Amino acid sequence: GAVVSQHPSRVICKSGTSVKIECRSLDFQATTMFWYRQFPKKSLMLMATSNEGSKATYEQGVEKDKFLINHASLTLSTLTVTSAHPEDSSFYICSAREPWGQETQYFGPGTRLLVL
Amino acid sequence: AQKVTQAQTEISVVEKEDVTLDCVYETRDTTYYLFWYKQPPSGELVFLIRRNSFDEQNEISGRYSWNFQKSTSSFNFTITASQVVDSAVYFCALSPPRGETSGSRLTFGEGTQLTVNP
Repeated sequence: GAVVSQHPSRVICKSGTSVKIECRSLDFQATTMFWYRQFPKKSLMLMATSNEGSKATYEQGVEKDKFLINHASLTLSTLTVTSAHPEDSSFYICSAREPWGQETQYFGPGTRLLVL
Repeated sequence: AQKVTQAQTEISVVEKEDVTLDCVYETRDTTYYLFWYKQPPSGELVFLIRRNSFDEQNEISGRYSWNFQKSTSSFNFTITASQVVDSAVYFCALSPPRGETSGSRLTFGEGTQLTVNP
């Protein structure tokens, strides 16, 4: 199956700092990647759809200035949590959609963010 | 609007038991895709299966099998002879085809926590 990596796997930061999370498709090109957030014992919540070469599409209620998404290449999308606060602490997961038309999303291992 | 319901929040079984995870979905699309993902304690979502709406054949992969019933809008997942390593949260998900206005957005169910005890 397709492989998606995510870095870092875990990050602890102070309130007010910015954190960048990288999502890479390792063995295929992904024109579309997705960013999700997951709270403990909850399902995944789609934050935004990241399209290579264009602006991301954010879900309702997600602050685009807070969660900056850049999809600069066909294998890399980044999510930057700006001026992080404790309520931003969560598990962030990215996925990349396979390009060959079958709609499957392959997920990265996730990033656990803790804002102190 | 699309919706996926996994009515079973938690299931606990003893090793070697068979277990079925239920998934019921709602969609107005005539073409769609259904998925199952496994999320072990490590957190990574592991893709298990994809089903196209026009393919109602059941599928078996080792100890895993899936029963797709379009008439009842269900896509149930059975693990035969469960093992401790099967313990995880299992998510059922639904997606419209590429090109639809909602894109390839996955609609997830709430997940079923499966615990297999030795």
